[in-house]
Amino acid sequence: EAGVVQSPRYKIIEKKQPVAFWCNPISGHNTLYWYLQNLGQGPELLIRYENEEAVDDSQLPKDRFSAERLKGVDSTLKIQPAELGDSAVYLCASSFGEYAYNEQFFGPGTRLTVL
Amino acid sequence: GQNIDQPTEMTATEGAIVQINCTYQTSGFNGLFWYQQHAGEAPTFLSYNVLDGLEEKGRFSSFLSRSKGYSYLLLKELQMKDSASYLCAVPDSNYQLIWGAGTKLIIKP
Repeated sequence: EAGVVQSPRYKIIEKKQPVAFWCNPISGHNTLYWYLQNLGQGPELLIRYENEEAVDDSQLPKDRFSAERLKGVDSTLKIQPAELGDSAVYLCASSFGEYAYNEQFFGPGTRLTVL
Repeated sequence: GQNIDQPTEMTATEGAIVQINCTYQTSGFNGLFWYQQHAGEAPTFLSYNVLDGLEEKGRFSSFLSRSKGYSYLLLKELQMKDSASYLCAVPDSNYQLIWGAGTKLIIKP
């Protein structure tokens, strides 16, 4: 069974440029998460989807971040414009079921560097 | 509010045993997770405890005490490949995972 797929793995951009990350969850997993992880820290939730509905986006900086999960399968996270402080690893995870006590499966992440 | 505390870094010797502690404060309790994360890789699930006591899974065991807000991960017969960060996480009142900063475990020969 294929795991969570993310692309690109690495991205280097200059500040004020836009950037997009893509995630394809494990087949059949209805819940999808986008996390941000800084070095030496745990993941921080940006947004959670139940199927195509964003059910928790309270931590998403909506002035520059946007996300979508059309058809309730794969998802895209966008930053426009990027700032220096956005440099981090962006992790996508999926789970079967909507509750946090369900095991989450993570993709390899996208390491973003903003210059 | 939610709060999770773990030691930042620990060092142990190959073949030995190490215990990684996690203390938490939550408004409710819906279990506690341990994940392993190798440098530059994604977190992978190790264990989920919802009842008090010790659960053993091969070389790894996880313990929970709900009354004390305390958990530990016990790693036996340490191998070099166990060098990684170990993340403790608990669901909050909105059923979203709150993550600790992780404990970086360094294994020396």
